[in-house]
Amino acid sequence: NAGVMQNPRHLVRRRGQEARLRCSPMKGHSHVYWYRQLPEEGLKFMVYLQKENIIDESGMPKERFSAEFPKEGPSILRIQQVVRGDSAAYFCASSPQGGETQYFGPGTRLLVL
Amino acid sequence: DAKTTQPPSMDCAEGRAANLPCNHSTISGNEYVYWYRQIHSQGPQYIIHGLKNNETNEMASLIITEDRKSSTLILPHATLRDTAVYYCIVRVGTSGTYKYIFGTGTRLKVLA
Repeated sequence: NAGVMQNPRHLVRRRGQEARLRCSPMKGHSHVYWYRQLPEEGLKFMVYLQKENIIDESGMPKERFSAEFPKEGPSILRIQQVVRGDSAAYFCASSPQGGETQYFGPGTRLLVL
Repeated sequence: DAKTTQPPSMDCAEGRAANLPCNHSTISGNEYVYWYRQIHSQGPQYIIHGLKNNETNEMASLIITEDRKSSTLILPHATLRDTAVYYCIVRVGTSGTYKYIFGTGTRLKVLA
């Protein structure tokens, strides 16, 4: 049973470009969570999604950031018009049901030049 | 807005037990305590979780005080591969909206 998959593992963007981060949950998991981690800090919750629904987006910046988890395909975290402050590691986690143990992917390291 | 406090760092001799404390004095009655660890910059790895009873699995033991205001993660025989940042997390929310609030963690260094 494959674990949570994220791609790309590393992403370099110039200021003003768009970044798209993908997350494929573990088989049988219908709940996805996105976190951001700045260097030397803990993970910060961003958004919690179920298939086709956003359950909690209280940690998402109000502008430029969006997330989706369509009926088919991976969950996507989209960052428009990236700035240097967006440089971080972005982790995705999945769980079979809401509130059950979350399993994390390897992360995507975003570097904005 | 983390609900947990942990010492920033600890050392442990290889082969000895590592005891990692966590304070969660504002925890509510239905909020679980979870422990994860992050080795280098990999994705966090689940270790164990509990509500009020002590728990044990193949990786570790979790001791939760009777008042639930603190807990201790025990790695019974630490190895060099256990060197990592250990996060104590309180799961908050209500059914269908649960989420984790991470603190800053404890950086455990296992010494040869």
